[in-house]
Amino acid sequence: SYVLTQPPSVSVAPGQTARITCGGNNIGSKSVHWYQQKPGQAPVLVVYDDSDRPSGIPERFSGSNSGNTATLTISRVEAGDEADYYCQVWDSSSDHPGVVFGGGTKLTVL
Amino acid sequence: EVQLVESGGGLVQPGGSLRLSCAASGFTFSSYSMNWVRQAPGKGLEWVSYISSSSSTIYYADSVKGRFTISRDNAKNSLYLQMNSLRDEDTAVYYCAKNVEMATMGYWGQGTLVTVSS
Repeated sequence: SYVLTQPPSVSVAPGQTARITCGGNNIGSKSVHWYQQKPGQAPVLVVYDDSDRPSGIPERFSGSNSGNTATLTISRVEAGDEADYYCQVWDSSSDHPGVVFGGGTKLTVL
Repeated sequence: EVQLVESGGGLVQPGGSLRLSCAASGFTFSSYSMNWVRQAPGKGLEWVSYISSSSSTIYYADSVKGRFTISRDNAKNSLYLQMNSLRDEDTAVYYCAKNVEMATMGYWGQGTLVTVSS
């Protein structure tokens, strides 16, 4: 089955840029979606189809995807961005198609 | 406004059954595919099941295949998850999620907690 690998944690100072990676075999050929989850809350879609933003998501959130790595970039990080972030793809390559999530990355704002 | 409200969670013994419901409003339910996603305490997100808008296509995670059944009633704007032969490792918050595109979960409910314990 398809595996997505994320770093367990990323730390960044306010105002700096955070980059959260998501590794997968030839992930560049898939559409990658990113979710933000704050403690006690449901996940929120922040980037879809590699680099598109849903309405209401700040332009500070952006995404890219190439080769074996997709990246969520958060510019001018704010304290309110502290959360867990998950990447996700649809795996149609196996006999059992389905949704795959990465293990999640905890973003800490120093 | 899109709203998804899960219900039906609770405490159940190993081997028992539970049926979760998700009441949808604020959109044309019959036009969108849906998912169940769960999150064990302190753990990451785990996809459980997918159902297309007409129920013609259904997928399950290997961890629940043969034990869980996803269904929907478009006339009642409702999504369901029948969970049988429950195990300790099924303990989690269960979310229903609306797709905006294929497998892009644009809207989530607040979740319902299922605890499997003796």
